[in-house]
Amino acid sequence: DQQVKQNSPSLSVQEGRISILNCDYTNSMFDYFLWYKKYPAEGPTFLISISSIKDKNEDGRFTVFLNKSAKHLSLHIVPSQPGDSAVYFCAASSGGSQGNLIFGKGTKLSVKP
Amino acid sequence: NAGVTQTPKFRILKIGQSMTLQCTQDMNHNYMYWYRQDPGMGLKLIYYSVGAGITDKGEVPNGYNVSRSTTEDFPLRLELAAPSQTSVYFCASSYSAPRSGNTIYFGEGSWLTVV
Repeated sequence: DQQVKQNSPSLSVQEGRISILNCDYTNSMFDYFLWYKKYPAEGPTFLISISSIKDKNEDGRFTVFLNKSAKHLSLHIVPSQPGDSAVYFCAASSGGSQGNLIFGKGTKLSVKP
Repeated sequence: NAGVTQTPKFRILKIGQSMTLQCTQDMNHNYMYWYRQDPGMGLKLIYYSVGAGITDKGEVPNGYNVSRSTTEDFPLRLELAAPSQTSVYFCASSYSAPRSGNTIYFGEGSWLTVV
């Protein structure tokens, strides 16, 4: 039973346009959400996060939106650049001392010049 | 600027063999983790540790063992390797539980094939 779902395995976007990556979750106890970016043959790197007390967090070209009632979050990249081409993982945490992150399966973003 | 370092990068094991994946971090983080990623799947937690001498099971612990004798090191032991353990393994660390301001940092991964 997937608690974090990324239903789009891949996304192709033209350079300069907006990329929107979506993530849905089922566990209402999740209160902290993160996006990780992963290049081939490398480990995931932290991109941006959002706490459940917020509905938006922005960092440069990257913005994450959280809709708690819909249990949905999205990552917006504007403008998209070829270097953004990577697999993006959505992850969620329910806090506590365990510190476990539950990951989605990832969305492969391709930004074409 | 090492961060999380894991070795080896690549390894081929025969069924039934054992091996240890090494992981060390130089950020003085209390929490350490081992994840595995199968093709087309997200990362799944194998084991984690909240401090030296303390370890606990994650979502997929069967066939693995860990120890945490120091803050820096968190080796993952595979006993009696099976083809189902063919995967990419990621070690990670964080200062505390992932909350606002506390992020999990990952190593570059170890590709393991069991034949």
